[in-house]
Amino acid sequence: RKEVEQDPGPFNVPEGATVAFNCTYSNSASQSFFWYRQDCRKEPKLLMSVYSSGNEDGRFTAQLNRASQYISLLIRDSKLSDSATYLCVVTGAMDSSYKLIFGSGTRLLVRP
Amino acid sequence: DGGITQSPKYLFRKEGQNVTLSCEQNLNHDAMYWYRQDPGQGLRLIYYSQIVNDFQKGDIAEGYSVSREKKESFPLTVTSAQKNPTAFYLCASSMGDYGSGRVEQFFGPGTRLTVL
Repeated sequence: RKEVEQDPGPFNVPEGATVAFNCTYSNSASQSFFWYRQDCRKEPKLLMSVYSSGNEDGRFTAQLNRASQYISLLIRDSKLSDSATYLCVVTGAMDSSYKLIFGSGTRLLVRP
Repeated sequence: DGGITQSPKYLFRKEGQNVTLSCEQNLNHDAMYWYRQDPGQGLRLIYYSQIVNDFQKGDIAEGYSVSREKKESFPLTVTSAQKNPTAFYLCASSMGDYGSGRVEQFFGPGTRLTVL
């Protein structure tokens, strides 16, 4: 089983739609969680950090469920510019919290 | 203008040659990292360094070497021993509280290496 699993997509949605991605992780001792956005042939950029149960930033909401070991990202009112790959990222356990474990990403396509 | 720079952006190498990828940061971050990304896959950790003059192997260190003589710089050498070096290489740095796990990594623009 992969340490971080994501549905690769692509999710193809119209502008204005609400879309949600889920991500599951295997290490129950993981402490912190992140969503990164990666555009084609570019570096990942930090979108949101999740240290407690959730985080909200404008149209983006991340939720953490530690009991079920999954994190979700909700995007409301999708824009064309939201088209990208979204990477779910989890830290290691306490003694390796420096280490980030990346999912393979979920691709989002927002169409006009 | 603070950030992480990587050079070159594109690099072509003949089989059997060593090549060094540059990574510099002026964010005053203690920790630096090297990742490799292959098409359709997640990032895999090659090496990391939490302080100057110290570095540790990541998950796929074979065929790579690093040095950390200065806080700002963490060059990666891809040696001829690396069997499949063609990939997108990303350098990152971070500063944070490792005890709490609140460690956010920031990435450079990457170097795309192609072995001919």
